[in-house]
Amino acid sequence: TQLLEQSPQFLSIQEGENLTVYCNSSSVFSSLQWYRQEPGEGPVLLVTVVTGGEVKKLKRLTFQFGDARKDSSLHITAAQPGDTGLYLCAGVLYQGAQKLVFGQGTRLTINP
Amino acid sequence: DTGVSQDPRHKITKRGQNVTFRCDPISEHNRLYWYRQTLGQGPEFLTYFQNEAQLEKSRLLSDRFSAERPKGSFSTLEIQRTEQGDSAMYLCASSFRGTHLRGYEKLFFGSGTQLSVL
Repeated sequence: TQLLEQSPQFLSIQEGENLTVYCNSSSVFSSLQWYRQEPGEGPVLLVTVVTGGEVKKLKRLTFQFGDARKDSSLHITAAQPGDTGLYLCAGVLYQGAQKLVFGQGTRLTINP
Repeated sequence: DTGVSQDPRHKITKRGQNVTFRCDPISEHNRLYWYRQTLGQGPEFLTYFQNEAQLEKSRLLSDRFSAERPKGSFSTLEIQRTEQGDSAMYLCASSFRGTHLRGYEKLFFGSGTQLSVL
């Protein structure tokens, strides 16, 4: 059973469209991170959200942490082919926990 | 700063052979993590070190797996008597954990070692 469920697992859209990726759990997380991974490379951290309800923006990417700290979303506005990649959410279950729990990822393809 | 370096990038081995991977973290980082990622899944935690001490191991880490970080710098992950189920990307990550408590830290991942067991 996956502690963090991401949806959709695959998403293919046209350049210029908007999209939202979801990361859900029945567990409460101390903090949650979003990573992007290219084929053959390790994940690269995009953002960390810590407070319930927190919203962070990174250019065209908007990240939100749910009020109850059990879920998160990543919204991309006007997607570009350069946004193509595997997006992973990862959480820390409690303050002081030493490991990240990852979702299974969302493979995003932006078609020109 | 050249980032986290892993060697080799690819390893093909026959079932039953032993393999060893190396990870060189970012030089000032005191924490080092090993994760395993199979196709279509997110990374799974294996173990981590604070300096040279191995502080936590996942139940995924069977007795065929051993990790070391002898001088608190580079780390090695050895898999003995490899099985086909060991085929995966093995990722190393490092971070700096200060003395203050934080709910999160920034992990820097290497490019991984892709292991194929035939």
